[in-house]
Amino acid sequence: SQKIEQNSEALNIQEGKTATLTCNYTNYSPAYLQWYRQDPGRGPVFLLLIRENEKEKRKERLKVTFDTTLKQSLFHITASQPADSATYLCALTNDYKLSFGAGTTVTVRA
Amino acid sequence: GAGVSQSPSNKVTEKGKDVELRCDPISGHTALYWYRQSLGQGLEFLIYFQGNSAPDKSGLPSDRFSAERTGGSVSTLTIQRTQQEDSAVYLCASSDLWGEQFFGPGTRLTVL
Repeated sequence: SQKIEQNSEALNIQEGKTATLTCNYTNYSPAYLQWYRQDPGRGPVFLLLIRENEKEKRKERLKVTFDTTLKQSLFHITASQPADSATYLCALTNDYKLSFGAGTTVTVRA
Repeated sequence: GAGVSQSPSNKVTEKGKDVELRCDPISGHTALYWYRQSLGQGLEFLIYFQGNSAPDKSGLPSDRFSAERTGGSVSTLTIQRTQQEDSAVYLCASSDLWGEQFFGPGTRLTVL
């Protein structure tokens, strides 16, 4: 069965540094990969979508890469700020049904 | 405009009771999804509604779970004879066909 794994440990970084999160998957060939942000007590919020034929996508301080050979996506937050502290979820899909990873919690220290 | 809303925000019930969770999607969104999120787990797909098509119920964990969507808008997720393992946050999302999903704040269900 398909499996989606994100950084198992929480990520603690200093303000201004780059946070790098990984999303690895097996037994799956997704057409799309999405990243969401989730704050405590709230539902996830969509950040970025990258297609299988795209290598990289950027949005402001966020950058996502998608390597279908390695079956891996990397999510980077550059010039991190305390407001970036949240849990980040990757989600894979070929249609409407999203399969989510368990998420990685990022804490940015001032 | 208004986002996805869910009610109640918290529900505490006794084992064996039935519960109903409500979702009001974004107006005009044709697709509606229910997910379940247990502590430390990823979101688990439960059910998907798209327009007037038959729903995809493949994620419902047992026949105690059912959902309906009336008039292509509001949806209700019903859990009958609740069990302690049903305790989780139930999230609803809506989208325009297969687009970006907009999530509600969730209903935290606790079964005692």
